[in-house]
Amino acid sequence: AQTVTQSQPEMSVQEAETVTLSCTYDTSENNYYLFWYKQPPSRQMILVIRQEAYKQQNATENRFSVNFQKAAKSFSLKISDSQLGDTAMYFCAFMKLYSGNTPLVFGKGTRLSVIA
Amino acid sequence: EAGVTQFPSHSVIEKGQTVTLRCDPISGHDNLYWYRRVMGKEIKFLLHFVKESKQDESGMPNNRFLAERTGGTYSTLKVQPAELEDSGVYFCASSQHKLAGVGTGELFFGEGSRLTVL
Repeated sequence: AQTVTQSQPEMSVQEAETVTLSCTYDTSENNYYLFWYKQPPSRQMILVIRQEAYKQQNATENRFSVNFQKAAKSFSLKISDSQLGDTAMYFCAFMKLYSGNTPLVFGKGTRLSVIA
Repeated sequence: EAGVTQFPSHSVIEKGQTVTLRCDPISGHDNLYWYRRVMGKEIKFLLHFVKESKQDESGMPNNRFLAERTGGTYSTLKVQPAELEDSGVYFCASSQHKLAGVGTGELFFGEGSRLTVL
C-alpha cells in the first residue's frame, strides 16, 4: 500500500518570501502521479501542480514548482514570492498510473500561513 | 459553471442519529468520489462512482455508511447510526475522464461537509 508523509503540520512565511513544503511517499510502483492540492479557508480544494513520475523535469506552475526526487521518493513544493492568498492547507497526494481509476492517497496536510 | 457543491456545510448530531450528506458534482462528470478527513489525519478515500455504479467502495469503513448515486447525478452519503469516530470532514470530488489529473480529468473538490457527532 502507498503512503504519503507530510512532516510539517504548520508553517509560516513572510509575504514575498519563498517557502518549501516537504512530502515523502512510499510505493513499489514505478509509474504514478504526484499532486499538490491547496484548500484555502472555507473554500474548495484545488489542484496546484502535478508531476508524472516518468518525467525527469520538475513541474512548474507560475510561482509554484516542485523538486521531484524519484529515487529518494521525495516531492517538495516551493512557493516563490508568497502572497497572502497562498494561506491554505496544502495536501500532497499520490496516484498509481493505471488504465482504470485509482483513488488518490493523501498526506496529513501542512497548514501554511503567509504573514504580511 | 457551477463547481462541486456539498450540503450541509456543517452538521452536528448526537451519537445514534442519522445524517445524510449530499454532493452535486459538476454537470457531465461521470466520476464521483467521496473522501473523509478525520481531524489531524490524512484524507482517506471512501468510494468511487462511475455514473450510478459503484466502481470501488474499498474505503467504506463499515455498513453504517451507505452511498447512493441514483440516476448518475447527485450522490448521497448516509451514516446510520452515527458514532463519535465518524466526526470529520467529508469531501466529494468529481472528474470527467477516467484518469484523474491535470489535463486528463482533474479532480474537482467541493468545500466539504463537516460532521460533528456528540
